[in-house]
Amino acid sequence: SQTIHQWPATLVQPVGSPLSLECTVEGTSNPNLYWYRQAAGRGLQLLFYSVGIGQISSEVPQNLSASRPQDRQFILSSKKLLLSDSGFYLCAWSPWDYGYTFGSGTRLTVV
Amino acid sequence: QQQVKQSPQSLIVQKGGISIINCAYENTAFDYFPWYQQFPGKGPALLIAIRPDVSEKKEGRFTISFNKSAKQFSLHIMDSQPGDSATYFCAATNTGTASKLTFGTGTRLQVTL
Repeated sequence: SQTIHQWPATLVQPVGSPLSLECTVEGTSNPNLYWYRQAAGRGLQLLFYSVGIGQISSEVPQNLSASRPQDRQFILSSKKLLLSDSGFYLCAWSPWDYGYTFGSGTRLTVV
Repeated sequence: QQQVKQSPQSLIVQKGGISIINCAYENTAFDYFPWYQQFPGKGPALLIAIRPDVSEKKEGRFTISFNKSAKQFSLHIMDSQPGDSATYFCAATNTGTASKLTFGTGTRLQVTL
C-alpha cells in the first residue's frame, strides 16, 4: 500500500532563517506531488506541484521554492523565512488521474 | 474560472440530524469532485468523490448529490454524529491537468449532543 511521510510535524523558526520541509511517498512510482499551505482557519492554497523528477510548477509567487530530487521525494525550501510564511504545510501525492492523499502536515511558526 | 465556492462557512447540527454542505463551480472542464474531511492538526482525508456522469453517490452515511446543469454539488451527512465534527472541503479538478485540485474554503461542522 502507498504511504506518505512528511516531517517535521512542528517547527518554530526565526525570521530570516532557512527552511527545508521534506515529503516522501512509498509504494508507488512517478506520482504527482503537491505542496499546499493552509493558513489558520482558511482553505488550502496550492504552492507547487510536480509531475516528475526535476519538474516543478509554481502556482503562487512567493518566498518559497520546491525541488524534486528523486521520484518520490518532494522538498519545500526557503532561504529566508518571513513572518507571513507561518502556516500549516501539507504535502500530497496523486496517481495521474484522480484525487490526493495528504500527509500529516507541518505546523510552521515563524517568530 | 477556477473557483469553487463553498457554503456555509460553519454549521451546527444536532446529533442525528442531517448536515448539508454546498459547493458551486465555474469551470465546465472539471471532471472529478472529491470531498475531504479534516480534523484539527491533521491533513485532509478523502471522504467521498463523484464524477459528473452520475447524479448521486452514497457511501454509508455520506452522500454526494451532483447537478451538472447547475454546476453544483453537495455533501449530505445523514444521522450526524459528534465524531463527524470536523472541517469539510469540497474540491474539483480536471484530471487531464496534473490533477490539480481546486478547493473550496471549507465548512466547519459541529455536531452537538
